[in-house]
Amino acid sequence: DSGVTQTPKHLITATGQRVTLRCSPRSGDLSVYWYQQSLDQGLQFLIQYYNGEERAKGNILERFSAQQFPDLHSELNLSSLELGDSALYFCASSAGDSQNNEQYFGPGTRLTVT
Amino acid sequence: DAKTTQPNSMESNEEEPVHLPCNHSTISGTDYIHWYRQLPSQGPEYVIHGLTSNVNNRMASLAIAEDRKSSTLILHRATLRDAAVYYCILKSQGGSEKLVFGKGMKLTVNP
Repeated sequence: DSGVTQTPKHLITATGQRVTLRCSPRSGDLSVYWYQQSLDQGLQFLIQYYNGEERAKGNILERFSAQQFPDLHSELNLSSLELGDSALYFCASSAGDSQNNEQYFGPGTRLTVT
Repeated sequence: DAKTTQPNSMESNEEEPVHLPCNHSTISGTDYIHWYRQLPSQGPEYVIHGLTSNVNNRMASLAIAEDRKSSTLILHRATLRDAAVYYCILKSQGGSEKLVFGKGMKLTVNP
């Protein structure tokens, strides 16, 4: 158990809909990262927050957004969903903002768009 | 971030040591070498990381070549639970803290 929790575990929704994925980092970790894993693209970094502020952006679509709340949990919002958004979405957390910090991953949310 | 090269797959036998290679010929002096693994149906899991010196932890050892152009993750006694996709990742000093995953290397452990 990494200490990172993600809800829900599975999500099935229709094209055009909007969903929210939730992540609670390990106790004390200030950084939260979101990654997407699909069969054709592998694991890809989406976005990072550090202590409530956006720190880095990766290949995140404009239809996707995220935020980190004062209690450090984070939400990833996916809107106008398309079939290609079906993937595993992982959240990870780390203690700070150093290159030396390891990231701890949650179990993921499996999103299926039909 | 500099690129790493790993074999697509490897096989090992249970209770034997396994050496997982990674080439990173374009590594810069301040790049950290990180290893993560992903067990089936799970999120990635941190294994070990290092900069210049060899590193040991309860999961594995990391042997870094003197010129730092390659490294080897060593599992001292492979178990069935070590069957996973292993990712060798470089993280640049001063760059983003994001992890850039390649295709990784699938390790199969035979009983």
